[in-house]
Amino acid sequence: DIQMTQSPSSLSASVGDRVTITCQASRDIRKSLNWYQQKPGQAPKLLIRVASTLTTGVPSRFSGSGSGTDFTFTIANLQPEDIATYYCQQYDNFLFTFGQGTTLEIK
Amino acid sequence: EVQLLESGGGFVEPGGSLRLSCAASGFDFSRFAMHWVRQAPGKGPEWVSTISGKGDNSYYGDSVRGRFKVSRDNSKNTVFLEMNSLGAADTAVYYCAKDFPPDITVAGIFDYWGQGTHVTVSS
Repeated sequence: DIQMTQSPSSLSASVGDRVTITCQASRDIRKSLNWYQQKPGQAPKLLIRVASTLTTGVPSRFSGSGSGTDFTFTIANLQPEDIATYYCQQYDNFLFTFGQGTTLEIK
Repeated sequence: EVQLLESGGGFVEPGGSLRLSCAASGFDFSRFAMHWVRQAPGKGPEWVSTISGKGDNSYYGDSVRGRFKVSRDNSKNTVFLEMNSLGAADTAVYYCAKDFPPDITVAGIFDYWGQGTHVTVSS
C-alpha cells in the first residue's frame, strides 16, 4: 500500500502569512493527489484535486503543486477562516490513503 | 444541490453488526462511484470502501475486508454499508462521499461528503 507522509503535523501562523504543507508518497503516484480542509465538527471538504486543480468556489489563495512523490499545498495570505486541519489523499489503483493531517492555528 | 444523508449508526456490542445507509440527491446517482470513509475520534480520515456506479465493482480497505460489504440501490439513490464482527477499532464517524468525475469505474476524488453517522462499539 502507498503511505503518505504529511508535514508538519501542526502549524502556527499569522493572518496574511504564506503557509506551506507538504505530502510525500511512498512511491510514484503521478498527480493522483487531493487536498481537503476539515473544520471541527464538519466533514472534510475537497479543495484541490489532481494535485493542482482548484475546486470551484474555493478561494484562489489556496493552491497545490507537485507530481510523482512530492506535493505541496499553499495558502497565500492566510485568513482567520482558514483555521482547520488539512489532509492530503492519494488515489492509486483503487486504494486510497490520507496523510496524517496538518492542524493550522492562527498566532 | 448535492446532498448525502447517512443513517444507521449507533451503539453496538463487540462482535455485533450494523447497516449504514446513505441517501443521495441532487445528482445522477448511478453515474458516480460512492465511497465510505470513517474517522475515529481525534484521528484522520480512513478510507473504508468504494462501489462503482453500476454496483458491479467494489473495493475495501485492509482493516475491513471480509467483514464489511458495500452495496447500492440505484432505484432509490442509496448506498449501504453492512458491517459485521465489529470491534472497538471500528468506532468512528462514518461518512459517505461521492466520487468525481462521472462515468468511470472509480476515480478516487471525494468531491461531496455527508455529515456522517456515529458508530460506537462498546460493551
